[in-house]
Amino acid sequence: DTEVTQTPKHLVMGMTNKKSLKCEQHMGHRAMYWYKQKAKKPPELMFVYSYEKLSINESVPSRFSPECPNSSLLNLHLHALQPEDSALYLCASSQTTGVLNQPQHFGDGTRLSIL
Amino acid sequence: KNEVEQSPQNLTAQEGEFITINCSYSVGISALHWLQQHPGGGIVSLFMLSSGKKKHGRLIATINIQEKHSSLHITASHPRDSAVYICAVREGGLSNFGNEKLTFGTGTRLTIIP
Repeated sequence: DTEVTQTPKHLVMGMTNKKSLKCEQHMGHRAMYWYKQKAKKPPELMFVYSYEKLSINESVPSRFSPECPNSSLLNLHLHALQPEDSALYLCASSQTTGVLNQPQHFGDGTRLSIL
Repeated sequence: KNEVEQSPQNLTAQEGEFITINCSYSVGISALHWLQQHPGGGIVSLFMLSSGKKKHGRLIATINIQEKHSSLHITASHPRDSAVYICAVREGGLSNFGNEKLTFGTGTRLTIIP
C-alpha cells in the first residue's frame, strides 16, 4: 500500500463535465506534485506546490486547475477536457528541506478517460 | 535542460539472469533516482543516489558523477521484477529550493520470463 492516496482510481468523463482528482498524504510532506503520464511515456510534471503555495506550473492549460487546501491534501480540478487529456494522473509528495535531496513518494494514480 | 537517456529501452531475460540498466545525463545533478513502475501504474522509489553505490536486497545502484552515468543491477532476476524502470535526476542549485523537481528518462521495460 502506498502512503500517498489518490481517488478515484478510474474516472470516465465527457468533455463538458467538471470533476476533481484528489490526493492525500499524512507524512508531513510540504511539497506535492501532479504528473501526467501517457502510455509508454515517462511522467510529465504539471504542477508543484511547496508549503501550500503553487511554485511551479509547467505551462499547463487552464482547463486543469490545481488546489492545495491544506498541507495534506492536493486537488486537481478538471473542466472542459479534451480527448488527448486521457492519461494516468499521478500525485507525489516529498519533504522540503531545500538543499538536501529527498525521495518523492508516489500514489497509484487516477486513470482518466475523456469521451 | 538535463537530457536523461536510458538503455536499453526494452529488455527480456530469463529468470535468474543478472540484469543491468543504464542511465546517462548531460548536466550536473544533486541526486539521481531509480524508480519502478508496475503495469498497474503506481511508482515506487527504489534508490536515491548522489555518489557511490547502494544495495537493497537483490538490487544494486551505482553512480559515477564524473562520467554522468548510473547503472541499476538486478541479481537473480525473478518474474516479479518485470516492470518499467525509470531513471530521474534532480538538478542542483537554488532553482530547486523547496521542491524535488525531477527530469525523467524514457524508461526501460524489463520482462523476466520464468
